[in-house]
Amino acid sequence: GAGVSQSPRYKVAKRGQDVALRCDPISGHVSLFWYQQALGQGPEFLTYFQNEAQLDKSGLPSDRFFAERPEGSVSTLKIQRTQQEDSAVYLCASSLMASGAKETQYFGPGTRLLVL
Amino acid sequence: SQQGEEDPQALSIQEGENATMNCSYKTSINNLQWYRQNSGRGLVHLILIRSNEREKHSGRLRVTLDTSKKSSSLLITASRAADTASYFCATGPSGTASKLTFGTGTRLQVTL
Repeated sequence: GAGVSQSPRYKVAKRGQDVALRCDPISGHVSLFWYQQALGQGPEFLTYFQNEAQLDKSGLPSDRFFAERPEGSVSTLKIQRTQQEDSAVYLCASSLMASGAKETQYFGPGTRLLVL
Repeated sequence: SQQGEEDPQALSIQEGENATMNCSYKTSINNLQWYRQNSGRGLVHLILIRSNEREKHSGRLRVTLDTSKKSSSLLITASRAADTASYFCATGPSGTASKLTFGTGTRLQVTL
């Protein structure tokens, strides 16, 4: 079956531009996570959805970051008024159950965002 | 913030040798997971070990967990060039928290 897919794979934005990153999780997976990975670092948690409910958004770095999963499947991470420090790889992951970080997470290939 | 620290940061070995990577973490956990990341790609799950387990095997991989020392190790036996990648440990917290917290990673280079 298909894994987690993300689009676009690469995005170049001018500072101040808004961007939207899409994640298609594995079909039927209840949990969905977004992570941000800076160059040479491990991924850092941004937010977590259980179906359509956003249960944890403690990792979102500012109110410029917004995520949604309106129908409990596809998710979008939106960054408003992008800044250079937003440049990173944004990873999406899904897991089968509603158990948060207590089970295997399946990652997409990521979206590499470069803000000029 | 990164919870775990991997040691070493980089490791270079020859094909056929064993590779050992260590991970230390700070808070109590429900589980610890190891992931592999090839250059420019997403993370691939390797193995999950729960806090009440001490050792787990999967093919050429062996993971140990010592909760008293808050540390874990990943051993890759008989390494291959295809094992070249970055390896991350990630901790799943005890309680109801939802997030995995990743370490800083070990870059493994396996040469022919």
